[in-house]
Amino acid sequence: ELKVEQNPLFLSMQEGKNYTIYCNYSTTSDRLYWYRQDPGKSLESLFVLLSNGAVKQEGRLMASLDTKARLSTLHITAAVHDLSATYFCAVDISSGTYKYIFGTGTRLKVLA
Amino acid sequence: GAVVSQHPSRVICKSGTSVKIECRSLDFQATTMFWYRQFPKKSLMLMATSNEGSKATYEQGVEKDKFLINHASLTLSTLTVTSAHPEDSSFYICSARAPRRDWAKNIQYFGAGTRLSVL
Repeated sequence: ELKVEQNPLFLSMQEGKNYTIYCNYSTTSDRLYWYRQDPGKSLESLFVLLSNGAVKQEGRLMASLDTKARLSTLHITAAVHDLSATYFCAVDISSGTYKYIFGTGTRLKVLA
Repeated sequence: GAVVSQHPSRVICKSGTSVKIECRSLDFQATTMFWYRQFPKKSLMLMATSNEGSKATYEQGVEKDKFLINHASLTLSTLTVTSAHPEDSSFYICSARAPRRDWAKNIQYFGAGTRLSVL
């Protein structure tokens, strides 16, 4: 069974601190996506990672992909309260179906 | 570009009634759309893949007769929750596969979601 697991599931951190969210998946894939979801809202695209070694950065967030380890990371630098949200990774399982399998999600709370 | 509109954003209905949710790609043609369900504080669960002009492909455990999907045009897919019951209450999100120019990236564009409450 394909699994996409995120760690941690919950994260409470102080403003100004750094932290990393991990996304592990159990099947071969070279495309992975990160999304943000605010309470009661739909998904906002953050990063599209399309190959092994891909690294993308936007503001205080940086995402990377290691397809050999089946691992993606989302690193938060100097967190601010506005980053409080739930973050999901999604894996493209390919096989011609174009489907994504979403990770378990990480609920981030940044304390002022 | 690549905007997906989902309607309604919220619906409250009585048990036993049917509810239709629409998902439209506004500025591109979407041959493939997806329907997800999300329970509170949980992840998104793929319900089905909707392909224009053909029957939807449902994920294991999803009742085809309960969740009717129709993708009659290149810009519209609908999800009808038939004979809704309180356990069908959830947040339903649609997405559309990116326009042809972005097919290699396999990007999905997401609608705003529909919150269904069945009384």
